[in-house]
Amino acid sequence: KNEVEQSPQNLTAQEGEFITINCSYSVGISALHWLQQHPGGGIVSLFMLSSGKKKHGRLIATINIQEKHSSLHITASHPRDSAVYICAVSRNQFYFGTGTSLTVIP
Amino acid sequence: DADVTQTPRNRITKTGKRIMLECSQTKGHDRMYWYRQDPGLGLRLIYYSFDVKDINKGEISDGYSVSRQAQAKFSLSLESAIPNQTALYFCATSDLQGGSNSYNEQFFGPGTRLTVL
Repeated sequence: KNEVEQSPQNLTAQEGEFITINCSYSVGISALHWLQQHPGGGIVSLFMLSSGKKKHGRLIATINIQEKHSSLHITASHPRDSAVYICAVSRNQFYFGTGTSLTVIP
Repeated sequence: DADVTQTPRNRITKTGKRIMLECSQTKGHDRMYWYRQDPGLGLRLIYYSFDVKDINKGEISDGYSVSRQAQAKFSLSLESAIPNQTALYFCATSDLQGGSNSYNEQFFGPGTRLTVL
């Protein structure tokens, strides 16, 4: 069983839609991370959070420590948001989810 | 210039060959990591290093070795490549802020796509 589970695995949305990607984890953590991987393969860190909520532009990440759950929201989605979004948790090392592949259609 | 670089970016090799993947960083971070990514499996940790004298095995270290030549350089070797080592390999770095139990933001290299025939 993977320590980090993401849903959905694949997601297609129309431009402008509000998008939610979910992440559940089963281990105690120091922090939770959301990463973005573009079709070219490069991975960038979007958020690192250990409580509450963070916002960066149209992206919002929340975490509920008690429920061991995090969500990544994208408001007013755009085709350039098309990517794989990866949830990871850090404790004594990093544990990664398998990613959510998002396609935003114009 | 990129903060974390990997060479080569693409490599095709044959079974049994020795391969070295190199990673360099200009972020001044002490911690460096090697991961492999396979479709449907997510990133898996191969080896990690917290400083030049520290090397640790990750989840899937069999068939791999590493060398931390300097704070800025961390190399991954496949002693005798086999086809199931075909994957996308990422190097990453993070700093020590927050103490040894605090795993901070990781910065990834662009990846090396390795194909073993």
